Amino acid sequence: SQQGEEDPQALSIQEGENATMNCSYKTSINNLQWYRQNSGRGLVHLILIRSNEREKHSGRLRVTLDTSKKSSSLLITASRAADTASYFCATGVNTGFQKLVFGTGTRLLVSP
Amino acid sequence: DAGITQSPRHKVTETGTPVTLRCHQTENHRYMYWYRQDPGHGLRLIHYSYGVKDTDKGEVSDGYSVSRSKTEDFLLTLESATSSQTSVYFCAIAGTSGLETQYFGPGTRLLVL
Repeated sequence: SQQGEEDPQALSIQEGENATMNCSYKTSINNLQWYRQNSGRGLVHLILIRSNEREKHSGRLRVTLDTSKKSSSLLITASRAADTASYFCATGVNTGFQKLVFGTGTRLLVSP
Repeated sequence: DAGITQSPRHKVTETGTPVTLRCHQTENHRYMYWYRQDPGHGLRLIHYSYGVKDTDKGEVSDGYSVSRSKTEDFLLTLESATSSQTSVYFCAIAGTSGLETQYFGPGTRLLVL
């Protein structure tokens, strides 16, 4: 079963608005990462937050992590049409071998 | 795409035939991964490698085998392709740890008829 579950599955907003996506997971993690995937392309790493961190920023991205609730959120501020993509959370887990477990993603559509 | 190529990019094959997908990296990264992406399932790990000739199974490894004879190449073989293996296959690499950032290739679209 998936470790990460993103919410919502799809999000449609206007340019300039903020977009918030959430990720919940089930087990203890080493870190949590967010990736973006444009249609027909490979995933691109956006940001990594470690289990002992609560918030991290990168440009227009803000990620929070609440390990007590096993959840994370990704905020994209002042969205642009170019932000249209699918966004995936991935949890870094060490269960004998080190791996990332990906969620099913949030599809974001930013309209001009 | 961080020096990762996948070949072929598109393939159509028939049920029962063997298929080999290639991932090639120029980053000298230790870790390499094969994932499949299907609607509603996100990315699922098929096999991974933590060094030359060191490989192990992921969560959906049945019907797949891998080989890594050189640092730069990681091959995924579908021993006898089935329609359920129709998918988009992604290769990824990571340098220092399997928990750190992964860099993805452009993907291979495989259709098994």
